[in-house]
Amino acid sequence: GQNIDQPTEMTATEGAIVQINCTYQTSGFNGLFWYQQHAGEAPTFLSYNVLDGLEEKGRFSSFLSRSKGYSYLLLKELQMKDSASYLCAVNPGITGGGNKLTFGTGTQLKVEL
Amino acid sequence: DAGVTQSPTHLIKTRGQHVTLRCSPISGHKSVSWYQQVLGQGPQFIFQYYEKEERGRGNFPDRFSARQFPNYSSELNVNALLLGDSALYLCASSLEAEAFFGQGTRLTVV
Repeated sequence: GQNIDQPTEMTATEGAIVQINCTYQTSGFNGLFWYQQHAGEAPTFLSYNVLDGLEEKGRFSSFLSRSKGYSYLLLKELQMKDSASYLCAVNPGITGGGNKLTFGTGTQLKVEL
Repeated sequence: DAGVTQSPTHLIKTRGQHVTLRCSPISGHKSVSWYQQVLGQGPQFIFQYYEKEERGRGNFPDRFSARQFPNYSSELNVNALLLGDSALYLCASSLEAEAFFGQGTRLTVV
């Protein structure tokens, strides 16, 4: 089966750093994705990790450890607009393509003044 | 360039009816996938199509069906609607690893 766990809610202060963790157990692995989703909107792509290590993209970084089935999303210099749900998703397929994704339930991040 | 477009954006149906949702992928993308997202949950995979062939199916009943057309657009059909089918239905297209989502169709079954 497929299982992806992430915290349900997190709260952080504007300007601070927050780390959202994700652990996964899937029948296969061909990449891990992080998406941001504001209420009532579609998920938007943040990052993709297929090899171990850290991927940095502006204020957002994502880390992957395949041996531990673990990833985190790091958000720096938090802004109020970062308040959203953050979805961790794994592509368990044996071929490439982010199109059979298994999602976690999402972490609702609230950024406060 | 246009992103993934879905129609309609909102829909209200009665129990027992059927519904057809439509998706146009990003130009050049040959893979389309459908997801169902109920409130407070992450999206759940329903179908994947690539080059007009079904490449994957999630744990959904046979009331759910889909197809992909020669221009790579896709339809999701749901028959005998139940109240529990109320959700945001998302379409995603992809060329390689990254999946791009449309704005979704909000289906309400009453």
